[in-house]
Amino acid sequence: GAGVSQTPSNKVTEKGKYVELRCDPISGHTALYWYRQSLGQGPEFLIYFQGTGAADDSGLPNDRFFAVRPEGSVSTLKIQRTERGDSAVYLCASSRGHSYEQYFGPGTRLTVT
Amino acid sequence: GEDVEQSLFLSVREGDSSVINCTYTDSSSTYLYWYKQEPGAGLQLLTYIFSNMDMKQDQRLTVLLNKKDKHLSLRIADTQTGDSAIYFCAESVLSGTYKYIFGTGTRLKVLA
Repeated sequence: GAGVSQTPSNKVTEKGKYVELRCDPISGHTALYWYRQSLGQGPEFLIYFQGTGAADDSGLPNDRFFAVRPEGSVSTLKIQRTERGDSAVYLCASSRGHSYEQYFGPGTRLTVT
Repeated sequence: GEDVEQSLFLSVREGDSSVINCTYTDSSSTYLYWYKQEPGAGLQLLTYIFSNMDMKQDQRLTVLLNKKDKHLSLRIADTQTGDSAIYFCAESVLSGTYKYIFGTGTRLKVLA
């Protein structure tokens, strides 16, 4: 596709459940970022991939959060034992390289009930 | 430390100019960005400026950077109702990852 895509667009889950959020970056973009945007806030950095490896995961809030990018393209953000405080819009962005501008997907709105 | 601040709201009349301000703290920032977010939509890159520049103009948009004061502004000329949105400034931190640090966003309301 022409842009970054994310699925699902909306996810409602019960507290304690496991969820996976998917990101398809722009073709050829080697850098991939995940951000989290809580209501009324700007996006906050979670994790950065260069190729297949997580080069910086300093923004992950705790060990319930994990992300993979096994083939250097699609990435999955995984959240275990979800909590109500995890409710937010999860944004994915990709760029040609880490020093270039990032293009954002439409986000996945996660609601934990 | 890394912190980006913006005023929360701005209201202007259609046809007037809008100026959205942002302050940042990380002196190692390389690029500074302006993004637009409309309700229910993703972040749209509007423009960006390299940290060794003072000004950049792109059609109705003018970005001014005062590196000494760590102050960034976005001026929108001839503001239209379609410009109503939340505007985020972001700094790209020279830490190896170029992750973005975003401000809290300024909600621009354009009155007809």
